[in-house]
Amino acid sequence: NAGVTQTPKFQVLKTGQSMTLQCAQDMNHNSMYWYRQDPGMGLRLIYYSASEGTTDKGEVPNGYNVSRLNKREFSLRLESAAPSQTSVYFCASSYRVGDTEAFFGQGTRLTVV
Amino acid sequence: QKEVEQNSGPLSVPEGAIASLNCTYSDRGSQSFFWYRQYSGKSPELIMFIYSNGDKEDGRFTAQLNKASQYVSLLIRDSQPSDSATYLCAGVRSGSARQLTFGSGTQLTVLP
Repeated sequence: NAGVTQTPKFQVLKTGQSMTLQCAQDMNHNSMYWYRQDPGMGLRLIYYSASEGTTDKGEVPNGYNVSRLNKREFSLRLESAAPSQTSVYFCASSYRVGDTEAFFGQGTRLTVV
Repeated sequence: QKEVEQNSGPLSVPEGAIASLNCTYSDRGSQSFFWYRQYSGKSPELIMFIYSNGDKEDGRFTAQLNKASQYVSLLIRDSQPSDSATYLCAGVRSGSARQLTFGSGTQLTVLP
């Protein structure tokens, strides 16, 4: 049982390049999330999908887009990467939004130079 | 003001001592709170959740919630070096969004 799987684990981009972070969960969860984690800032929500077919902005959505491809998969796209997007990105899923446990992927360490 | 505030630490305690981690929140409508543990370079994992005022115990861990004071804490008894990690407090926003909002985390080191 893999849980939440993110790819890639590491990535270096040049400023202005684009890329998509992939996330898949095999726990039949309805809700999925993308967070970024910066030193001293904790986890900040970028976008989330409460259920298949819906997506909503979180705390720091600027510069990102998401796609809930199906119930299992939730991708995060950086259209034109900026150094300020250097961070560790975590995908997570839960049975529903709110008072249920969130399970996290192993993270993607992204550096934009 | 962040919705969930934690002392960033770092906090150091000797092995066998009680570690006390604290968190305050600003959303008075928040009902549910979570404590996640994150080892260096790893992803967060849930260790405790609490919905009701008072204490909730699970093994060496006790979560405490005081809604009147908007305060959540985590006590770790008989601390072990393996407890050394960053502890993240999270609360569920009130209203329809119900997003999970995290504090910045407290780094705990248990000294052998």
